[in-house]
Amino acid sequence: EIVLTQSPGTLSLSPGERVTLSCRASQSVNSNYLAWYQQKPGQAPRLLIYDLSTRATGTPDRFSGSGSGTDFTLTISRLEPEDFAVYYCQQYSRSPLTFGGGTTVEIK
Amino acid sequence: EVQLVESGGGLVQPGRSLRLSCVASGFTFDDYAMHWVRQAPGKGLEWVSSINWNSGIIGYAESVKGRFTISRDNAKNSLYLQMNSLRAEDTALYYCAKGIGMGRLGSFDYWGQGTLATVSS
Repeated sequence: EIVLTQSPGTLSLSPGERVTLSCRASQSVNSNYLAWYQQKPGQAPRLLIYDLSTRATGTPDRFSGSGSGTDFTLTISRLEPEDFAVYYCQQYSRSPLTFGGGTTVEIK
Repeated sequence: EVQLVESGGGLVQPGRSLRLSCVASGFTFDDYAMHWVRQAPGKGLEWVSSINWNSGIIGYAESVKGRFTISRDNAKNSLYLQMNSLRAEDTALYYCAKGIGMGRLGSFDYWGQGTLATVSS
């Protein structure tokens, strides 16, 4: 099983700041089969990025994904008020599909 | 507009069964893999099970293997999860999610609002 470790657990930031979220895999994620999701309280998760760096329909271009092998990053270039949420990475390189534990981006 | 509507959750005693359903609309159901993902109260996301477009390839998390069965009825645009021998640790909000492609492995581009299964005596 590929274990995904997200860091940090919580980030306290202000609107307008640049954010970098980390996702580290215990084994190489082949073919960049990595996705990022956003979840707000009381809502279902929303797909932001898939295949490492492809933005899903409706994802603003301030969100970008990068990385390779075992180290992956979600970057938000400039935080908007609606971006405060929990973010999860997910790998679909091999079964079982696994998620990271999540990073909470909260208002400072 | 893609819609996924789950049902079938509820309060059940340990050892008993529940059958979850998910009705899909707004896309060609039999063109895509479908998945169940759960979230225990206050916790993160956990993949439960996946089924490819024609039910030919199915996968389960180790935590539910042998107890849960995923199935789909493409004629009814419906996905199911039969959950047997339920345990307290199965208590969670169960999400139905649409795969981004036909295969069993993939990301999930649409999610339902979830149905809550609570296992408690």
